[in-house]
Formats: sequence, C-alpha cells, structure tokens
Amino acid sequence: DAKTTQPPSMDCAEGRAANLPCNHSTISGNEYVYWYRQIHSQGPQYIIHGLKNNETNEMASLIITEDRKSSTLILPHATLRDTAVYYCIVRNRGGGADGLTFGKGTHLIIQP
Amino acid sequence: NAGVTQTPKFQVLKTGQSMTLQCAQDMNHEYMSWYRQDPGMGLRLIHYSVGAGITDQGEVPNGYNVSRSTTEDFPLRLLSAAPSQTSVYFCASSPDRARNEQYFGPGTRLTVT
Repeated sequence: DAKTTQPPSMDCAEGRAANLPCNHSTISGNEYVYWYRQIHSQGPQYIIHGLKNNETNEMASLIITEDRKSSTLILPHATLRDTAVYYCIVRNRGGGADGLTFGKGTHLIIQP
Repeated sequence: NAGVTQTPKFQVLKTGQSMTLQCAQDMNHEYMSWYRQDPGMGLRLIHYSVGAGITDQGEVPNGYNVSRSTTEDFPLRLLSAAPSQTSVYFCASSPDRARNEQYFGPGTRLTVT
C-alpha cells in the first residue's frame, strides 16, 4: 500500500469547513483513498473513499487531485463532535488479508 | 441495526486468568477481525475471519484464540492473560472481501495486573 503523509494536527472553528490534506505521491493506478476517523475512546469510523473522481456523502466530501498524488477531506460545517483523529489510508481495491494500517493521522480540534 | 457490539466495555484481569471478549454483528458481514490498540500506537490486527468456520492469524496472534461458528459472532479468547495484553480491543466487520470498508465496535478496555 502507498505511504501517506498528513499534518499531525489542525484547528478549525465550529461551523466552518474543515479541510484535511493527505499526500500520497506514490499511489498506483488501482489504489483507492480511504478516510477513517477515531473519536477519543471510540472505535474507528469509516468516512468515505474514492479513486479519482470527487466523492460526497452525508458525512464529508473527498477531493482527489487530477494526478492523484494528494487529496483533501472536507467536513463542510464542522461541529465539536467532529474533534477526532482523521486517517488517510491508501489501499488496493482488492484489499488483502492484512489489516488496515492506520498511521498517525491528523488530530483535528474543533474550536467553539 | 445495532452494528458491531462488544462486551464487556471494561475488564480487569489478574495475570494467568483467562477470559473471552465477545463480538457480534447484525449486518450479515462475512469478514470479521480483531485489533488491539496500545497508547500512542496504531491498530494491530490479531486474528480475522472471512466467513463461518474460517479463521486466520494477523500481525500479533500470540496469546489469543478465535473461532467463528456463526456469521454473527467472533469471540476472542485470552488463554492466560499477561500484562503485555493490557490494551483496548476493537472488533470490526466488513461487507466485502476487500475489507477496505470496516465497521468497528466500541471497544473493550482490558487491564491485566
């Protein structure tokens, strides 16, 4: 799986859009970008995934650059409950027997 | 749907004791797995199952046993607890064989003294 790089922490004001970047410059053509988050003391939560087109669901939007070397997760109207560690994971769509590899992620803190 | 449920939420064991951590899911997912998370570290895969009757080892299987007699349940057994097994344990399930979209339970916080 391709390596990802994320900033260790970010702040965002409540009600504003939170934009979380992820670099994955070694991504290969059949690898997808997945985002998870882990709220303190809870299990990780799947958010969204994409290949090359922008994706949106009820939780977030995912913007992937045309060269696919980076992506941004957007939480459109951040609330205090969005404070969590956000993980960007690159995986082959076929997956594998190995578990998900969560790096250090970005600790997003939503400020009131 | 309740999703993935785990019991107990908290447990304290003495060294050498055994116990079973329960995990159940009501989403009819074929794939289930167990992870442990230690402070400041990522999740590490202990065991996984691709369907009833089939289990396999993950990255850190020593000291743990699993079985999968039904689609819904995937218990994790600690045979003889050690302080090194103090951790938070998460169970997860996935609707597809790729296992890239996994749904996690709330976790069991285990302390071994």
